Amino acid sequence: AQSVTQLDSQVPVFEEAPVELRCNYSSSVSVYLFWYVQYPNQGLQLLLKYLSGSTLVESINGFEAEFNKSQTSFHLRKPSVHISDTAEYFCAVTSSGTYKYIFGTGTRLKVLA
Amino acid sequence: NAGVTQTPKFQVLKTGQSMTLQCAQDMNHNSMYWYRQDPGMGLRLIYYSASEGTTDKGEVPNGYNVSRLNKREFSLRLESAAPSQTSVYFCASSGGRMNTEAFFGQGTRLTVV
Repeated sequence: AQSVTQLDSQVPVFEEAPVELRCNYSSSVSVYLFWYVQYPNQGLQLLLKYLSGSTLVESINGFEAEFNKSQTSFHLRKPSVHISDTAEYFCAVTSSGTYKYIFGTGTRLKVLA
Repeated sequence: NAGVTQTPKFQVLKTGQSMTLQCAQDMNHNSMYWYRQDPGMGLRLIYYSASEGTTDKGEVPNGYNVSRLNKREFSLRLESAAPSQTSVYFCASSGGRMNTEAFFGQGTRLTVV
């Protein structure tokens, strides 16, 4: 069975500082990995995804994540955060042969002025 | 392009009442999903439909039923609501091929009193 672990439930960080949100997964087969962002009282929006190829993937708003197969990780990073990045971030995994997306418990990023 | 549309957005039920949450997508997606979101628990899969005509249980199916009415619509029914079903419910859809992401609706906030 697949699973996703997001160890940090909350991450406070000052504006313009770097941030890393951690995600580890468990799967016995090849995986596809996703990061979603949820702003208050809204649905989830895709931030970025790893399907195959380059292990470093980027979003249009400056986030990046690196797929590390040996460490079964897909951590999300941003070199300089903005107040508007305050949101909850979810890591998710799926794989060929299953139709299910499994989500982590989420990390609440709070950017402080 | 509306994407995934859920109705209603808010609902208050009394214990024992029944209701159906509606979901429709206009992206010609094969697969559809119902998740619930609770604080500290992330998104948990209730039921999913890999393709029209099929439905399967997810992690937390007890107390719920679903109907894949056609390719566009996937409804979630609570036959006898309980306070433990107080949650935010999200419908999602995907192309059905696992190298694509899931698209989410805006959610239904359900309170059972």
